[in-house]
Amino acid sequence: GAGVSQSPSNKVTEKGKDVELRCDPISGHTALYWYRQRLGQGLEFLIYFQGNSAPDKSGLPSDRFSAERTGESVSTLTIQRTQQEDSAVYLCASSLGTDWYNEQFFGPGTRLTVL
Amino acid sequence: QKEVEQNSGPLSVPEGAIASLNCTYSDRGSQSFFWYRQYSGKSPELIMSIYSNGDKEDGRFTAQLNKASQYVSLLIRDSQPSDSATYLCAVNILRINTPLVFGKGTRLSVIA
Repeated sequence: GAGVSQSPSNKVTEKGKDVELRCDPISGHTALYWYRQRLGQGLEFLIYFQGNSAPDKSGLPSDRFSAERTGESVSTLTIQRTQQEDSAVYLCASSLGTDWYNEQFFGPGTRLTVL
Repeated sequence: QKEVEQNSGPLSVPEGAIASLNCTYSDRGSQSFFWYRQYSGKSPELIMSIYSNGDKEDGRFTAQLNKASQYVSLLIRDSQPSDSATYLCAVNILRINTPLVFGKGTRLSVIA
C-alpha cells in the first residue's frame, strides 16, 4: 500500500520568503507528526496532530512556524519569513494513533534550502 | 540526563560480525521501544519494535529490552556492508508531551 508522501521533495527559497510543505499520511492513520532534521543532527520534534484534537504545538521553534491538518488527511507545514537556519530536511510521519504501542512511519522528507 | 541516549559512534564492525547497538532511556514507565535505520540522505525506516522484557528476533535483527536497567539494544547478526547506516532508538517518554522521543542515533559502519 501507499506510504507517507511529502511534497515537494526539494525546495530552494530566498531568505524572507514563505514556504509550504505538504504531507499525505498513510490512509487510515489518525496521527501525523512533523520533525526537522538539520544536516548531521538528530530528529527535532515540531508538532503532531491526533484526529480532530487541537494539535500539540509545543515543539514549534518560533511563531514563524505553523501547521494545519484537514480532518485526518493532508497536513501543511508553513514557514513564514524563512531564515537560513530553517534549512533542513522536514520529515513527516504518521501512525494509527498516539497510544504507546503505535509505530510511526516516515515519509521521504522535504529538503529545504534557504539562500 | 537526556531522555534517550545513544553512543554516536561510529561503530565499526567487520563483515559477518555481530553489531551491537545500545540505547538507554530516562523514564522507568516507558512501555514501547523502536529501532529505526536511516541511510545517509534518506528518511528513517522502522525495523523493530519491542514492548516486553526479553528478546525479539526478526531475521538477522534481535531487539533486547531490560526495563529494570532502562536499556534497549539492537543486535545485527552476520553484518553486511548494506547495514551501514545510522540507527535511531525511539522511546515513549510518558512525562513528555510527544508520543516518541528519538535518540540522536549511532552510526554503524560494516567493513567488507
